[in-house]
Amino acid sequence: DTEVTQTPKHLVMGMTNKKSLKCEQHMGHRAMYWYKQKAKKPPELMFVYSYEKLSINESVPSRFSPECPNSSLLNLHLHALQPEDSALYLCASSQDLTGEMLDTQYFGPGTRLTVL
Amino acid sequence: QQPVQSPQAVILREGEDAVINCSSSKALYSVHWYRQKHGEAPVFLMILLKGGEQKGHEKISASFNEKKQQSSLYLTASQLSYSGTYFCGTEIMGAQKLVFGQGTRLTINP
Repeated sequence: DTEVTQTPKHLVMGMTNKKSLKCEQHMGHRAMYWYKQKAKKPPELMFVYSYEKLSINESVPSRFSPECPNSSLLNLHLHALQPEDSALYLCASSQDLTGEMLDTQYFGPGTRLTVL
Repeated sequence: QQPVQSPQAVILREGEDAVINCSSSKALYSVHWYRQKHGEAPVFLMILLKGGEQKGHEKISASFNEKKQQSSLYLTASQLSYSGTYFCGTEIMGAQKLVFGQGTRLTINP
């Protein structure tokens, strides 16, 4: 089973709202990722967690706050977003980051976020 | 630094072949190929390691030319199900992350 699940599928929020995106995997993977994807563009890395610790933050604005409460779960907390933050947010997981090279990343279906 | 994919778009008839290239100005450690259909998650196809490895997956194969820092994805006897956008993700040694090319949109017509 190589499934990564994400909830919700769609989210519409105002600029003053606080919301969270959730990602879950049960493959025993210890590396988890958040990507942002705009229409007709490639996925852009936002955050990487390795063994529940934040490993990479790609200079993402503080209105995005990631959290990894355990090895299976990854959250992305959203607060005071801007309309330009509207995008598809993809979660991915891989075995870990300890190998010589990157392991295969398995992507979830994404959450389509609209900020009004 | 983002790798460059070419071509940006390809239109084929079912049964025709296609080649998609992915080039980097940096020394690559690995190249990961994905296909994404509209409204869906990217789906992993294969990983190429530095060393000029060639891999195959049904009628889809790929190669990695370390001298040129270029990977090529070969789709032979294309099927309608091959339609989608193909992304290469490149790994630079020590970076522990993938940087994706801008994508190649492949359309297969009957």
